[in-house]
Amino acid sequence: AQSVTQPDIHITVSEGASLELRCNYSYGATPYLFWYVQSPGQGLQLLLKYFSGDTLVQGIKGFEAEFKRSQSSFNLRKPSVHWSDAAEYFCAVDSISGGSYIPTFGRGTSLIVHP
Amino acid sequence: KAGVTQTPRYLIKTRGQQVTLSCSPISGHRSVSWYQQTPGQGLQFLFEYFSETQRNKGNFPGRFSGRQFSNSRSEMNVSTLELGDSALYLCASSLEAGTAGNTIYFGEGSWLTVV
Repeated sequence: AQSVTQPDIHITVSEGASLELRCNYSYGATPYLFWYVQSPGQGLQLLLKYFSGDTLVQGIKGFEAEFKRSQSSFNLRKPSVHWSDAAEYFCAVDSISGGSYIPTFGRGTSLIVHP
Repeated sequence: KAGVTQTPRYLIKTRGQQVTLSCSPISGHRSVSWYQQTPGQGLQFLFEYFSETQRNKGNFPGRFSGRQFSNSRSEMNVSTLELGDSALYLCASSLEAGTAGNTIYFGEGSWLTVV
């Protein structure tokens, strides 16, 4: 079955520092990959998605992610973190279930931003 | 345009009771899916509806059910509540259902506490 792993439960960075959140996927074919952000008490918001083409994907809020097939990874990056980026981040892969695609989510990485 | 709206936002129920949660999708979206989010299990897919038909169902007991109306609004019901049903229930809507790379939009969720 398709799955994603987010190895880091928590990440702490200082405001203004760069950020990289890791995501590894398990999927036989070309995966459809997503990153979502969830602010406290809120639903999930799509940051970016990848399913073909350029392996470097630009998203909203200054985020980008790079798809690396050789490493089965889809890491999320941001060059300079703002305090408002503190949130939970979820990587997801579209998985076949019952003949249709549904997203399978990783367990999430909690980002803490120090002033 | 208005996003996905979920009601109620917060509720407390007693073990053994039943609960109904409501979701209004983004205008024009015909697909609605539901997820359960808990600290222990993360985000888990409950079911998906498209044009009033259940298209897919996750691995949850029969106490969890849902339906979709002709205006695409959806409800989910949990009967005979257990303590373990305490969770954030997220609704998401999309234009299509079950296609790879589909962009889904989440509501802010309904926080259910079972005591």
